[in-house]
Amino acid sequence: DIQMTQSPSSLSASVGDRVTITCRASQSISSSLNWYQQKPGKAPKLLISAASSLQSGVPSRFSGGGSRTDFTLTISSLQPEDFATYSCQQSYSAPWTFGQGTNVDIK
Amino acid sequence: QVQLQESGPGLVKPSQTLSLSCSVSGGSISIGGYYWSWIRQNPGKGLEWIGYIYKTGSTNYNPSLRSRVIISVDTSKNQFSLKLSSVTAADTAVYYCASSSSMGAFDPWGQGTLVTVSS
Repeated sequence: DIQMTQSPSSLSASVGDRVTITCRASQSISSSLNWYQQKPGKAPKLLISAASSLQSGVPSRFSGGGSRTDFTLTISSLQPEDFATYSCQQSYSAPWTFGQGTNVDIK
Repeated sequence: QVQLQESGPGLVKPSQTLSLSCSVSGGSISIGGYYWSWIRQNPGKGLEWIGYIYKTGSTNYNPSLRSRVIISVDTSKNQFSLKLSSVTAADTAVYYCASSSSMGAFDPWGQGTLVTVSS
């Protein structure tokens, strides 16, 4: 199985801050990396697919980058509704696997 | 817009079989190019992909659960189902159904259903 490791596991930030979350794969996954946002009691929501493709309706302050083993999710200016848990997921090979999640909370 | 909705018992006894269904609305489960998955999330933990089924009935399961999982599809009802046998407390989780294209990104998701394994 491909292991996905996110860092940090949690972070505290203020509204307006630039936030970057890192996801590392245990082997090359090309650009087969997806990012999700999850709020308490809700299902995950797809934000970015194929490493950098922003989903329709997702604010442009979200961006994704990277390839092979190292990927980033950046929120350029954190908004109140962005406080949530963010998870990466590889879709390069089954079994599809997720990172453990990064909780972004209010400083 | 496709929507998914899980249903099934919220409490299952240890050693029994967990059974859930996912109803698909706003689109056909028979549409080509889409895979219908089950994913679970243990309380306070990360997400675990359980497996998927294609409209043809072809399946792919997570090896960690393969010996206990069966995913089936009923195209006439536009739904797919999960059976997980010999459950233990470790199978207590929120179970989600989700759709993905061949690219493997899950969208959309059902709202999730909590299944507790307890006597």
